[in-house]
Amino acid sequence: ILNVEQSPQSLHVQEGDSTNFTCSFPSSNFYALHWYRWETAKSPEALFVMTLNGDEKKKGRISATLNTKEGYSYLYIKGSQPEDSATYLCADSGYSTLTFGKGTMLLVSP
Amino acid sequence: GAGVSQSPRYKVAKRGQDVALRCDPISGHVSLFWYQQALGQGPEFLTYFQNEAQLDKSGLPSDRFFAERPEGSVSTLKIQRTQQEDSAVYLCASSLAGGIVSTQYFGPGTRLLVL
Repeated sequence: ILNVEQSPQSLHVQEGDSTNFTCSFPSSNFYALHWYRWETAKSPEALFVMTLNGDEKKKGRISATLNTKEGYSYLYIKGSQPEDSATYLCADSGYSTLTFGKGTMLLVSP
Repeated sequence: GAGVSQSPRYKVAKRGQDVALRCDPISGHVSLFWYQQALGQGPEFLTYFQNEAQLDKSGLPSDRFFAERPEGSVSTLKIQRTQQEDSAVYLCASSLAGGIVSTQYFGPGTRLLVL
């Protein structure tokens, strides 16, 4: 993996469904992995900063895991709600900048 | 408290026109970043300031792009002689300090359309 890649590109689920998506990043020279949620017409909102292999973080119904050896992170949403509809971005952290994936666009229907 | 603000939120420019985009970071934040997000892409790094010093401008796509932060707070991104390929969302972010694990707090972006 040379770039930050996210899959799927988009996802449509029903309210109450649990879902997850993937961020892949270069495993060499890893520093930190950031997750953001970006709702339409709003500012991207920071969700997690993860640094340690095996790290798992949780914020309400959203959680994330990190595998730095194989270069991937999963974001999980339990019991999706319509207000979870947004684009979820992950970013690999260099010393001073972020390298983003293209994002996963999540739509949760009532 | 107040987050990062950007103005204008939307800008329509004719090709060849100069534009200036403003970013007001969170008060006290040392680091400021500009990103460009083209349609269908993730945000891409343009430039980085620590206080008033521009430490990295490697992402600026051409010499038509210029950024400044003269007093270490407000920053302006200027694009001269705009081209259609400059159409994008321009995001500004600030962080309390620079570094690998510092969270960057983003503004809502300026959506630029060049006709």
